[in-house]
Amino acid sequence: GQQLNQSPQSMFIQEGEDVSMNCTSSSIFNTWLWYKQDPGEGPVLLIALYKAGELTSNGRLTAQFGITRKDSFLNISASIPSDVGIYFCAGQRGTYKYIFGTGTRLKVLA
Amino acid sequence: GAGVSQSPRYKVAKRGQDVALRCDPISGHVSLFWYQQALGQGPEFLTYFQNEAQLDKSGLPSDRFFAERPEGSVSTLKIQRTQQEDSAVYLCASSSLTTYTEAFFGQGTRLTVV
Repeated sequence: GQQLNQSPQSMFIQEGEDVSMNCTSSSIFNTWLWYKQDPGEGPVLLIALYKAGELTSNGRLTAQFGITRKDSFLNISASIPSDVGIYFCAGQRGTYKYIFGTGTRLKVLA
Repeated sequence: GAGVSQSPRYKVAKRGQDVALRCDPISGHVSLFWYQQALGQGPEFLTYFQNEAQLDKSGLPSDRFFAERPEGSVSTLKIQRTQQEDSAVYLCASSSLTTYTEAFFGQGTRLTVV
């Protein structure tokens, strides 16, 4: 099935560093969502974006809805060990169906 | 309940066996989704319910997969004559609106077909 492209696929960073990841699509979406998934758990919603150009923060997380509506970005500031996990973007075209990305695996070195 | 609940958490099935996976959505949520997540991949859409109506089943891989939500609350995903390629995590999600909404996921059921 269709999946959105996320980059990087994985990354190791030092605790305290900032992290950036992005998600791209060949199609336009009306809503972008970012989820985090820990091992053995379901995805947990982090941030939802509803308008092109929108910039939304949730604590140390900031996400942006790309102006072309074909991409989205997630930044994590001052990373901590519990940020480790897999981050998924998901796009929605105005119906109920979410298309998920391939995931960015984040590992934080203390 | 406070969140989406799925059972069982883990299921091992012999090839050819039928399985049933249960989802209890957040109380009052109209929309319910099933997703399949293969190892190392993102979730992929299987089917969508609005109340008891199954509005989209385009993601179901074959006619061995069947989902129902008879009373608009609890949903069951049934897989008949399981095959090894059915091994995956099956995620259920629910949301309170029909569109432009934020879905909340359960912990998933990990199905292993041996």
